Amino acid sequence: DTAVSQTPKYLVTQMGNDKSIKCEQNLGHDTMYWYKQDSKKFLKIMFSYNNKELIINETVPNRFSPKSPDKAHLNLHINSLELGDSAVYFCASSQETYEQYFGPGTRLTVT
Amino acid sequence: EDQVTQSPEALRLQEGESSSLNCSYTVSGLRGLFWYRQDPGKGPEFLFTLYSAGEEKEKERLKATLTKKESFLHITAPKPEDSATYLCAVESHNQGGKLIFGQGTELSVKP
Repeated sequence: DTAVSQTPKYLVTQMGNDKSIKCEQNLGHDTMYWYKQDSKKFLKIMFSYNNKELIINETVPNRFSPKSPDKAHLNLHINSLELGDSAVYFCASSQETYEQYFGPGTRLTVT
Repeated sequence: EDQVTQSPEALRLQEGESSSLNCSYTVSGLRGLFWYRQDPGKGPEFLFTLYSAGEEKEKERLKATLTKKESFLHITAPKPEDSATYLCAVESHNQGGKLIFGQGTELSVKP
């Protein structure tokens, strides 16, 4: 049983396009996160939601917009994709702010 | 500003050769220190949370310890299946679950 799932696993697209990544967790957690892992494997938080409310909003371009339709889902929409957006994006969830459980990642390649 | 530095960046061991990974941190007020394991192409997998200096936790061949400035992940008699990147992260109080990650230590265990 997958705890935190993401779709798609791979995403290849051209500069200027708009794309979305979906995340779902079946752990019953109330907090969800988006992280970006760059080519040097450095993992950095982007956003977090607690019960559909935005809690953390790091210094991320406005082209990135998270949406949480319910506490089990957190999607990431990216407008006007740029080459520098190429990375692996991870979704995670936790109960309150205890240990976070990560999804398998979405490798985004912008050409 | 909260910061995490891990050393070494890469570590090669022979099977059965015990060693330690280091995680040095500076935070305004530590709420928790987390260790994760990440296999290639996968999301980070939660290993341990440590909350206060002097605390220790063990899981199979892994033992994590915490002081006021650093944490160690001790690996006793490692096996090839322990090969992975080990990530350390800290969370300060009142940060809503914001984890600050180190750059990781890539461990390779040869048979």
